[in-house]
Amino acid sequence: NAGVMQNPRHLVRRRGQEARLRCSPMKGHSHVYWYRQLPEEGLKFMVYLQKENIIDESGMPKERFSAEFPKEGPSILRIQQVVRGDSAAYFCASSPLSGATLYYGYTFGSGTRLTVV
Amino acid sequence: KNEVEQSPQNLTAQEGEFITINCSYSVGISALHWLQQHPGGGIVSLFMLSSGKKKHGRLIATINIQEKHSSLHITASHPRDSAVYICAVRAMYSGGGADGLTFGKGTHLIIQP
Repeated sequence: NAGVMQNPRHLVRRRGQEARLRCSPMKGHSHVYWYRQLPEEGLKFMVYLQKENIIDESGMPKERFSAEFPKEGPSILRIQQVVRGDSAAYFCASSPLSGATLYYGYTFGSGTRLTVV
Repeated sequence: KNEVEQSPQNLTAQEGEFITINCSYSVGISALHWLQQHPGGGIVSLFMLSSGKKKHGRLIATINIQEKHSSLHITASHPRDSAVYICAVRAMYSGGGADGLTFGKGTHLIIQP
């Protein structure tokens, strides 16, 4: 059981480039959550996805950010035309069922640290 | 708006001391999580609880739903316990809505040998 796999661990992009962050949930988990951790700040919810569906993207910036979780393959968080303020650690978590259940927790990945230069 | 407040922000203690980290929140919740994050590392889920108390090794987590408060205790602390401890809650929603967590800013714990 490989856990939640995120790659790359570190990503450096120049301003204006695109960043693609990948998250493979734990085997058997069909719910994926993306969080952003800005320097010296707490984690912030970004988006919640199930396979082929975005359930809640209320935490996503309105522009340049998008997320998907296709039927096959990992979930992708895409940031277009990156700016220095996008530099942060991006964490993915997965769970087997809706978070509404009290009995299943979240498993987090190791995060992708994005640096925009 | 759901607020999650942790105290203290920073804590330095000597090896062997009993550690308490507190978390207060402002809305009704369905679950509360305690997470551990090592410098430059990923996040590990320590506990998920909705009532009472849970124990795992030297770690104990308690929650008081009426007072909207939770504590994380570490007994016989050790330098390897040095990390950021994060409290996160999942608010109760009626009929759908966000399913993510609201996080505290974390408590930076350093245990000195």
